[in-house]
Amino acid sequence: EDKVVQSPLSLVVHEGDTVTLNCSYEVTNFRSLLWYKQEKKAPTFLFMLTSSGIEKKSGRLSSILDKKELFSILNITATQTGDSAIYLCAWTGGATNKLIFGTGTLLAVQP
Amino acid sequence: KAGVTQTPRYLIKTRGQQVTLSCSPISGHRSVSWYQQTPGQGLQFLFEYFSETQRNKGNFPGRFSGRQFSNSRSEMNVSTLELGDSALYLCASSPGDRGPDGELFFGEGSRLTVL
Repeated sequence: EDKVVQSPLSLVVHEGDTVTLNCSYEVTNFRSLLWYKQEKKAPTFLFMLTSSGIEKKSGRLSSILDKKELFSILNITATQTGDSAIYLCAWTGGATNKLIFGTGTLLAVQP
Repeated sequence: KAGVTQTPRYLIKTRGQQVTLSCSPISGHRSVSWYQQTPGQGLQFLFEYFSETQRNKGNFPGRFSGRQFSNSRSEMNVSTLELGDSALYLCASSPGDRGPDGELFFGEGSRLTVL
């Protein structure tokens, strides 16, 4: 059965800290891995990764995929309170928009 | 450009009733997917529609059904509601016909409470 596992389930940090969120997967027919941020209701897109070893970067956030070891990490540097959210990773395969999500990591950034 | 619109935003039902949720995708998007989000199970895939056809289905009982109209708007229906159906139901749209070439755009969700 395809599955995506995220760790840690939750963490609390202080502003300015750097955090690393983990996502491992056991799936068939891998196509891409996506990261989303969910603050209140609608998850918002962060990154899509398809190639191993290529870092995607947006401001203080970056992500990389290791297709050999079947995991991805999301890094957030110089965290701010506005980074507090649930971070979701999801896998997709084949010609479909079906995403298999992990349970998410709840990040709380304290002032 | 308007985002994904879901209605109603909140609703309360009792066990045994049925409910219909609506999703209007971003203009030009032809794919609509539905997800159920609960604290214990996270986001789980319900089904995906593309050009009025169900293209993929998750592992939910037959009480969960959906459809898509010619204007790409989609509805999902849950019959014979159970307490465990209480959840946030999220709809996501995408333009692609070959899977996500980029992001899926999520709506704000419909919060269903079953009493």
